[in-house]
Amino acid sequence: NAGVMQNPRHLVRRRGQEARLRCSPMKGHSHVYWYRQLPEEGLKFMVYLQKENIIDESGMPKERFSAEFPKEGPSILRIQQVVRGDSAAYFCASSPSAGQGLSYTFGSGTRLTVV
Amino acid sequence: GENVEQHPSTLSVQEGDSAVIKCTYSDSASNYFPWYKQELGKRPQLIIDIRSNVGEKKDQRIAVTLNKTAKHFSLHITETQPEDSAVYFCAASNRGRSGSQGNLIFGKGTKLSVKP
Repeated sequence: NAGVMQNPRHLVRRRGQEARLRCSPMKGHSHVYWYRQLPEEGLKFMVYLQKENIIDESGMPKERFSAEFPKEGPSILRIQQVVRGDSAAYFCASSPSAGQGLSYTFGSGTRLTVV
Repeated sequence: GENVEQHPSTLSVQEGDSAVIKCTYSDSASNYFPWYKQELGKRPQLIIDIRSNVGEKKDQRIAVTLNKTAKHFSLHITETQPEDSAVYFCAASNRGRSGSQGNLIFGKGTKLSVKP
């Protein structure tokens, strides 16, 4: 079992460009969660998705950020027109189906740097 | 929604001493409380968790206690070692819509330093 796979590990974007972060959950996991971690800070919830559904996006900024988890392929966190304040580590986690608890497994993260 | 407060933000202990990190939560419906350890530049990793039907759980040098009435839970590390140095995060489950599975809300973390 390869665990939660995130790519790229490091991403550098110029201000105004788009950033696309990918997350493949663990095999058998159907729930995906995205968190943002600023330097020296905690994990801030962004969005919770199941296949083809956004369950909770209460932590997502209202503009420029979007997320999807299509029927086939990885979950994508998309940040349009990036600004320096978007620089952070973005972690994805997955968990088994509902009813089996919230036992998260985290990916290694994508470290986004906006220059 | 759920809100989790964690303290202290930094903790320094001598090797062999015990370390205690405390968290409080706001939503009485939360029923799952994990603790994660994050080493510098690495992913958070689950070290222990507790569910609301249990008051205490122990795994070797690590223990977690839960007081549902007071809505607080604590991580206890005994006989600390330098390799325990890391940032530790507590979390509480957030109630999902219509009682469905929600997500985890994390505390801001405690940076633990164990001095040899």
